[in-house]
Amino acid sequence: DAGVIQSPRHEVTEMGQEVTLRCKPISGHDYLFWYRQTMMRGLELLIYFNNNVPIDDSGMPEDRFSAKMPNASFSTLKIQPSEPRDSAVYFCASHSRVRFGNTIYFGEGSWLTVV
Amino acid sequence: SQQGEEDPQALSIQEGENATMNCSYKTSINNLQWYRQNSGRGLVHLILIRSNEREKHSGRLRVTLDTSKKSSSLLITASRAADTASYFCATVSNTGNQFYFGTGTSLTVIP
Repeated sequence: DAGVIQSPRHEVTEMGQEVTLRCKPISGHDYLFWYRQTMMRGLELLIYFNNNVPIDDSGMPEDRFSAKMPNASFSTLKIQPSEPRDSAVYFCASHSRVRFGNTIYFGEGSWLTVV
Repeated sequence: SQQGEEDPQALSIQEGENATMNCSYKTSINNLQWYRQNSGRGLVHLILIRSNEREKHSGRLRVTLDTSKKSSSLLITASRAADTASYFCATVSNTGNQFYFGTGTSLTVIP
């Protein structure tokens, strides 16, 4: 299996621009998670989906952040407009408790810098 | 916050020594897991311990869990330079579907 695939790996953008991060989960996984990692706050759970439906988005920091999962093989995390404090590594992870045990699998992350 | 906290934040040891990291958490859990993150990479699962277990081993890894104290420890024996990474504990909710990560311990193993 190819694992969780994220794109882009690195992005530098100017403040105010829209940023879209993409994720392809592992085939057969029915849960998808978006995390944000910073030195100050560690690894924060932003939102997670089950069977393409958002279950808990209480970690989404502001209305500038939105996430979608139009089908089982694709999800996006969008920031509009972006701000310098959004600079972080954004991880997507997927999971299937029934089929693959109780662990989650992470992508390599999208490194976002907002200048 | 439902995040756990690891202690120490950073640890530097000589190759061959043992490394111990601790994790404290706040809520009831289904299980607790430890993950490793190499610099610039995603997290990778190491070991899982269920809430009704007290100790678990996997190769050079030993994990303990004390649910009464809401704490766990990860011991890496006979450390190697390749063990240099950040280590995170993750508490898993009783539903089994929410994973909350701690702040991590940065381990440096000096050859």
